[in-house]
Amino acid sequence: EIVLTQSPDTLSLSPGERATLSCRASQSVSSTSLVWYQQKPGQAPRLLIYGASNRATGIPDRFSGSGSRTDFTLTISRLEPEDFAVYYCQQYGTAPPMYTFGQGTKLEIK
Amino acid sequence: QVQLVQSGAEVKKPGASVKVSCKASGDTFTTHYMHWVRQAPGQGLEWMGIIKSSGGSTTYAQKFQGRVTMTRDTSTSTVYMELRSLTSEDTAVYYCATELRDSLYFDFWGQGTLVTVSS
Repeated sequence: EIVLTQSPDTLSLSPGERATLSCRASQSVSSTSLVWYQQKPGQAPRLLIYGASNRATGIPDRFSGSGSRTDFTLTISRLEPEDFAVYYCQQYGTAPPMYTFGQGTKLEIK
Repeated sequence: QVQLVQSGAEVKKPGASVKVSCKASGDTFTTHYMHWVRQAPGQGLEWMGIIKSSGGSTTYAQKFQGRVTMTRDTSTSTVYMELRSLTSEDTAVYYCATELRDSLYFDFWGQGTLVTVSS
């Protein structure tokens, strides 16, 4: 079973700054199956990035995803006030077939 | 735009069962699989299983096998998740979510259903 570890657990930044969030897999994963979500308090998660680097419909271009094999990154180029939330990475594995989430990174206002 | 509307909050006693519903808009069943994901208070996301709405086949996370059943009613575009033998550790918000067939990501989510297990 593949384990996803996100870092840092909490990231404190100011609006306008650049945010870099990491997601590391315990073994190599297909870039096709690496996904990022954003979740705000009291809300369901929202799809941000799929296939490691493809923005979902309606997602601003300040959000970008990159990486391969075991190391993936979500970058927010210039933080807006509405970007402060919890971010999760997720992947699909086949042995056993399951969808796995990282533990999340909380992006908070400094 | 897919819309998913879930049933309301539930309070259950330990050892009981809960059945949560998720009604999808339009012809979602023809284009999407349906998943259930839960989130304990203050915790992360945990995938529970998938029901491929076209044929009704299911795959459950090993953690829940034997204790969860996912079903669907195509006539009402509704999927159900039943979890049995509840304990306090099952207290969580339960989400249904769609996956565009074989896309490997969850593109739409229900609003969530809080299930509280307490004696």
